Amino acid sequence: DTAVSQTPKYLVTQMGNDKSIKCEQNLGHDTMYWYKQDSKKFLKIMFSYNNKELIINETVPNRFSPKSPDKAHLNLHINSLELGDSAVYFCASSQDQGLGQPQHFGDGTRLSIL
Amino acid sequence: GQQLNQSPQSMFIQEGEDVSMNCTSSSIFNTWLWYKQDPGEGPVLLIALYKAGELTSNGRLTAQFGITRKDSFLNISASIPSDVGIYFCAGNQGAQKLVFGQGTRLTINP
Repeated sequence: DTAVSQTPKYLVTQMGNDKSIKCEQNLGHDTMYWYKQDSKKFLKIMFSYNNKELIINETVPNRFSPKSPDKAHLNLHINSLELGDSAVYFCASSQDQGLGQPQHFGDGTRLSIL
Repeated sequence: GQQLNQSPQSMFIQEGEDVSMNCTSSSIFNTWLWYKQDPGEGPVLLIALYKAGELTSNGRLTAQFGITRKDSFLNISASIPSDVGIYFCAGNQGAQKLVFGQGTRLTINP
């Protein structure tokens, strides 16, 4: 069973469209994250939720809106997609907000904007 | 924001050789984590370090948390083909926000 699962794995769409990526974790963790990995493989955190509450919101355009219906799910909705949004988006989870808790990553969603 | 400088950026080695990579920062970190990413997959945790000076092994992998809390290294002994991938260091300073290094891409010639 996959611990952190994201859908879809690949997403190809046109500029200006709105799209959503879903993430679910079956580890019983309290904290979930969204990361963006650019073409140079640099990983940067975007958002973090703890028990459905937003705790980290990095400098991300407000076209990106995370939603956590329950602590096992953290979805990412992106409005008005731009070329620069092309990247791999990773969802992750950790037991809680405790310092140094290891984060477990999903396999990523490869978003390509045409 | 805080940055971790990871080196080398890439390594090309022969199977069986030992590998060493490191991460440095101008700031103090409270934890250091080492991850490996295979193509098409997400990063997988290899080793977590929580105390300055800590030396931890996981099979052929050994990592240390620098005594100054501003650096960490990862060693891989007797490399094998499945060690190929991108290795990331990550540090945690306060809030549960990981800062990642730029990655070390390891290529192994059989």
